[in-house]
Amino acid sequence: DQQVKQNSPSLSVQEGRISILNCDYTNSMFDYFLWYKKYPAEGPTFLISISSIKDKNEDGRFTVFLNKSAKHLSLHIVPSQPGDSAVYFCAASGTSYGKLTFGQGTILTVHP
Amino acid sequence: ETGVTQSPTHLIKTRGQQVTLRCSSQSGHNTVSWYQQALGQGPQFIFQYYREEENGRGNFPPRFSGLQFPNYSSELNVNALELDDSALYLCASSFTNYGYTFGSGTRLTVV
Repeated sequence: DQQVKQNSPSLSVQEGRISILNCDYTNSMFDYFLWYKKYPAEGPTFLISISSIKDKNEDGRFTVFLNKSAKHLSLHIVPSQPGDSAVYFCAASGTSYGKLTFGQGTILTVHP
Repeated sequence: ETGVTQSPTHLIKTRGQQVTLRCSSQSGHNTVSWYQQALGQGPQFIFQYYREEENGRGNFPPRFSGLQFPNYSSELNVNALELDDSALYLCASSFTNYGYTFGSGTRLTVV
């Protein structure tokens, strides 16, 4: 039972353009959502999060949008840079940043 | 301020053997969680320890067990290793339930 799904295994974007990574969830008890970035041979690094009481959170080039009725969240990266190339995981929690349920990940490649 | 460190980085074990993986939490962090990441998948929650007590467990059999020590370092023990246990094992620490910091993981191969 995959409670958090990232349906796009990979995404390729030109440098300077927008990257949009999507994530769907099924468990209505989730109330915190996070995005992590992972480079090879490193652990996941926290990027940005959003509480279910909000529909948008912005941090520099990164913006996360949450649509609770659709059980969908997305991460926008503008402008995309080659250094953003990594695997991106969305994760959800039912208790503030407690046990995290991860999606399968999306490989983002930003071409110069 | 040091981050989360895990040892060893790589390990090869034979089916049926036992393995112990170690994690040193970030300074000031009293909560540690362990995750298993199979190839091509997202990390899956194994269990969480808070002040030396297990306070949450995922869908993993009892042969996966853990310990958290008074200095908040932690161990993950896996008995009777199976081929499907081959994965990257990640440790994450935090102060209570806020802001998890992940280590780089231990790559376990069971042959």
